[in-house]
Amino acid sequence: DIQMTQSPSSLSASVGDRVTITCRTSQSISSYLNWYQQMPGKAPKLLIYAASSLQSGVPSRFSGSGSGTDFTLTISSLQPEDFATYYCQQSYSTLYTFGQGTKLDIK
Amino acid sequence: QVQLQESGPGLVKPSETLSLNCTVSGGSISTYYWTWIRQSPGKGLEWIGYVYYSGSTYYNPSLESRVTISVDTSKNQFSLRLSSVTAADTAVYYCVRISYTTTWYFFDYWGPGTLVTVSS
Repeated sequence: DIQMTQSPSSLSASVGDRVTITCRTSQSISSYLNWYQQMPGKAPKLLIYAASSLQSGVPSRFSGSGSGTDFTLTISSLQPEDFATYYCQQSYSTLYTFGQGTKLDIK
Repeated sequence: QVQLQESGPGLVKPSETLSLNCTVSGGSISTYYWTWIRQSPGKGLEWIGYVYYSGSTYYNPSLESRVTISVDTSKNQFSLRLSSVTAADTAVYYCVRISYTTTWYFFDYWGPGTLVTVSS
């Protein structure tokens, strides 16, 4: 299995802050990396696919970068509705795996 | 707008079989892969397996001996069966569509999820 490690596991930030979440994989996955946002009690929502492609309807303050084993999700200016848990997920291997999540809360 | 909805018992006894259905509306089940993902506090998000609209399947090896995923294109539904359940199978189960381009695969539509508890 491809192991996914996110950091940090939790993060406190303020509205307007720029935030970066990192995802590291146990082997190179090219750009086969997706990011999801999950609100409490809700299903995850796709934000970014192919490491840097913004899903339709997702605000442009979200961006993704990276390739190989190191990836980042950046929120350029936090909005109140962005406080949630974020997950990375690899699709390089058909045995799809997720990171453990990064919980973003209000400072 | 594509919508997915899980249905099935919320309580299953140990050693029995968990059965869930997913109804797809707002679009055809054809041409896509359809998958089940579960989420428990202990194990986070875990991919269970997928079925293609043609009926071909692929399962997570850690669950393969207990899992069956099937599709019924006439009803625009797909299903999950997980046998010999234990408390470790207690989780929120999501049905999800896998979209793909020529190269990239991603989970773009999710059902709201259904909590299944394994308990006697």
